[in-house]
Amino acid sequence: DQQVKQNSPSLSVQEGRISILNCDYTNSMFDYFLWYKKYPAEGPTFLISISSIKDKNEDGRFTVFLNKSAKHLSLHIVPSQPGDSAVYFCAASARDMRFGAGTRLTVKP
Amino acid sequence: DGGITQSPKYLFRKEGQNVTLSCEQNLNHDAMYWYRQDPGQGLRLIYYSQIVNDFQKGDIAEGYSVSREKKESFPLTVTSAQKNPTAFYLCASNAGHIVRGANVLTFGAGSRLTVL
Repeated sequence: DQQVKQNSPSLSVQEGRISILNCDYTNSMFDYFLWYKKYPAEGPTFLISISSIKDKNEDGRFTVFLNKSAKHLSLHIVPSQPGDSAVYFCAASARDMRFGAGTRLTVKP
Repeated sequence: DGGITQSPKYLFRKEGQNVTLSCEQNLNHDAMYWYRQDPGQGLRLIYYSQIVNDFQKGDIAEGYSVSREKKESFPLTVTSAQKNPTAFYLCASNAGHIVRGANVLTFGAGSRLTVL
């Protein structure tokens, strides 16, 4: 039972444009949602999070939006840079942390 | 610097052999986790431990075993019962569910296991 889903395995955008990565979840008990960034052969690193009581959290070029009624969250990167190219994992936490399958973002110069 | 150390980085195993992956953290975190990454499947939870001498099964615990005798260490044994053990294994830790907040996971660099 996959509780966290990222339905787009890949996304390609032009440098300077907006990247939007989407995530859906099924478990209403999740109280925090997080995004991690991962490069090949390395562990994921934390990017940004949002509490279930909020609908938006912003940190520089990164903004996460949460729609609890739709059980949906998204990560916006504006403007996108080539260094943002990586795999992005959506995660949701209760007593443990569950991850989506990841979306590979490619930002073209 | 505080962090998580996983070893070995690469490991080759013959079928039928048990192998143990090491995970050590000096972050004073209470909780530790093991995930497995396969292409197209993201990170799947194998086992986690919220406190010393206690651990729980994740979604894919069959064929794996763990121990948590010390706060700093959470080794994972991949047994011969694991049908498809070739994967990238990630160890992580956080402050545990007691602490309010996002309880961000800190990950190690991973161990790649290949069964020959």
